[in-house]
Amino acid sequence: GAVVSQHPSRVICKSGTSVKIECRSLDFQATTMFWYRQFPKQSLMLMATSNEGSKATYEQGVEKDKFLINHASLTLSTLTVTSAHPEDSSFYICSARAPGLAGGSYTGELFFGEGSRLTVL
Amino acid sequence: AQKVTQAQTEISVVEKEDVTLDCVYETRDTTYYLFWYKQPPSGELVFLIRRNSFDEQNEISGRYSWNFQKSTSSFNFTITASQVVDSAVYFCALGPNQAGTALIFGKGTTLSVSS
Repeated sequence: GAVVSQHPSRVICKSGTSVKIECRSLDFQATTMFWYRQFPKQSLMLMATSNEGSKATYEQGVEKDKFLINHASLTLSTLTVTSAHPEDSSFYICSARAPGLAGGSYTGELFFGEGSRLTVL
Repeated sequence: AQKVTQAQTEISVVEKEDVTLDCVYETRDTTYYLFWYKQPPSGELVFLIRRNSFDEQNEISGRYSWNFQKSTSSFNFTITASQVVDSAVYFCALGPNQAGTALIFGKGTTLSVSS
């Protein structure tokens, strides 16, 4: 089946630095990718929708200047946490939608990366 | 509004007990998808099932079974003869029938199975 890979799986950084997380679709082209954030013992909250070749759409309350999303190709979306602070420490998960069946019908299939755990000291 | 409610925050059972995780959803769409995911302590989401809104047949996969009832907007998940390895957080999610729309997750149910 389709595979989505995230890198790095864990990252520790100092407060004030920027961190980039990559999300790749390995065996399919993903025109749309989604970025979620999960705080400890909480659910996955959608941060933004990343569209190849255009600007990302951010959910209410998510700072677009802090969480930069770039979807430069059909297989790669990146999330950069700029000037990270301890409150940005979280588990970030990306997902990508696989192409539909022949003829373009939408199947609803969505694949998730392994997640990236960010710790900001 | 689209919403998924998992009313059970935590459930603790003893091995070999059966356990049912509840999921209630809200949507105005006539076509949608429902999912269950397992999240072990490692964090990655493990896909368990996807159900199309037009398919109300219940499904069984080994010790897992799912009961989809459109009349009550519920998609409950039962683990039969639970095992310690079943301990995890389980999420129910709603997928709107639009290609550019993300899944909406419930808050999750933490299942602890003790030996």
